[in-house]
Amino acid sequence: GQQLNQSPQSMFIQEGEDVSMNCTSSSIFNTWLWYKQDPGEGPVLLIALYKAGELTSNGRLTAQFGITRKDSFLNISASIPSDVGIYFCAGPAGNQFYFGTGTSLTVIP
Amino acid sequence: EPEVTQTPSHQVTQMGQEVILRCVPISNHLYFYWYRQILGQKVEFLVSFYNNEISEKSEIFDDQFSVERPDGSNFTLKIRSTKLEDSAMYFCASSDHRGRAGNTGELFFGEGSRLTVL
Repeated sequence: GQQLNQSPQSMFIQEGEDVSMNCTSSSIFNTWLWYKQDPGEGPVLLIALYKAGELTSNGRLTAQFGITRKDSFLNISASIPSDVGIYFCAGPAGNQFYFGTGTSLTVIP
Repeated sequence: EPEVTQTPSHQVTQMGQEVILRCVPISNHLYFYWYRQILGQKVEFLVSFYNNEISEKSEIFDDQFSVERPDGSNFTLKIRSTKLEDSAMYFCASSDHRGRAGNTGELFFGEGSRLTVL
């Protein structure tokens, strides 16, 4: 199956700082999805990317579809306490969606 | 906004018992999925379902598991003879496109059903 590796595994940042995380895959994806998961809840779709090189924003979030189609990046600007959670990348292949290993974000007020 | 709904939110069962987790996918979606997440770990694929049959299943999805779409709105996951290691969050998800290279599917999740096997 596809392997999606996310880095960093965890981040501890001060409120107001910008955050960058990335996701790399062993194979090409034609769609990249970024999710946020709060404790005890389901993943919530943040951003969907469809074209290599595409840069898409959703409020303070910006994600990019890597040119090689094997990676994607998520940036959060001016972090706030409610940004705390686990961020997952995902992509469709075959008849399923593969998920990354997750990046845990902690924002220190 | 349309959403995926799951019931129950939490189920506690004795080892060896059967459980059924229920999901109502988004109404115009055609592709349905079950995922599992053990506490603190990544989201793991169990099974995908389309046109009343399983499209793909993982090695986790053995004979202990089954899925069914008994009517036009529900999508269920049955776990027979539960084991301690089945304790996890089970997420239902749906998409209007198949998760296939070349398609632009977006996958939407329910809030999950927490299964605790004692």
